[in-house]
Amino acid sequence: DTAVSQTPKYLVTQMGNDKSIKCEQNLGHDTMYWYKQDSKKFLKIMFSYNNKELIINETVPNRFSPKSPDKAHLNLHINSLELGDSAVYFCASSLDREQYFGPGTRLTVT
Amino acid sequence: AQSVTQPDIHITVSEGASLELRCNYSYGATPYLFWYVQSPGQGLQLLLKYFSGDTLVQGIKGFEAEFKRSQSSFNLRKPSVHWSDAAEYFCAVGAGTASKLTFGTGTRLQVTL
Repeated sequence: DTAVSQTPKYLVTQMGNDKSIKCEQNLGHDTMYWYKQDSKKFLKIMFSYNNKELIINETVPNRFSPKSPDKAHLNLHINSLELGDSAVYFCASSLDREQYFGPGTRLTVT
Repeated sequence: AQSVTQPDIHITVSEGASLELRCNYSYGATPYLFWYVQSPGQGLQLLLKYFSGDTLVQGIKGFEAEFKRSQSSFNLRKPSVHWSDAAEYFCAVGAGTASKLTFGTGTRLQVTL
């Protein structure tokens, strides 16, 4: 009965590759988010979509492109991966002020 | 701009002892405050939240937190810690519906038996 799910859980890839992470929520929430957790465990917002519309776009390289095909899904595509992109990426969703997080995707760029 | 400070990077307590994790926030309006817990290799689980009203809020797993506007604090407490509470704890502040959460740097809790 997973509320917010992400695939894959682990992703190992080489520099320069393009990869995608998928997120799905079955909570009926209107808003979805992507957060990045770096190696020091610091969490920072990247993007947010409300009803498929981009509402938050923090200072993120344009190699990162979110896509929301419908309000239950928010995917993150990353072009030309760099070593510094290695992190855990968390998807979250909310209906009101509480955000519910997925299990995370650990991306390792070699 | 909103910000959160968690002054303690790492805390060690004995099982059965009481716990207090500190959180200070900076926000111009009424903050929405949260505590999340992250076990190793896991996602973030919401422990409790404060939006308005009673400044002492109860959460899951026996945790509580007290909002003190005068001190810009939202400290997390537990009267008796269990070994399974060992994890990373994050305090966060939000501005409202569909707004981003700004997190503190986290406090790692270690529990000794």
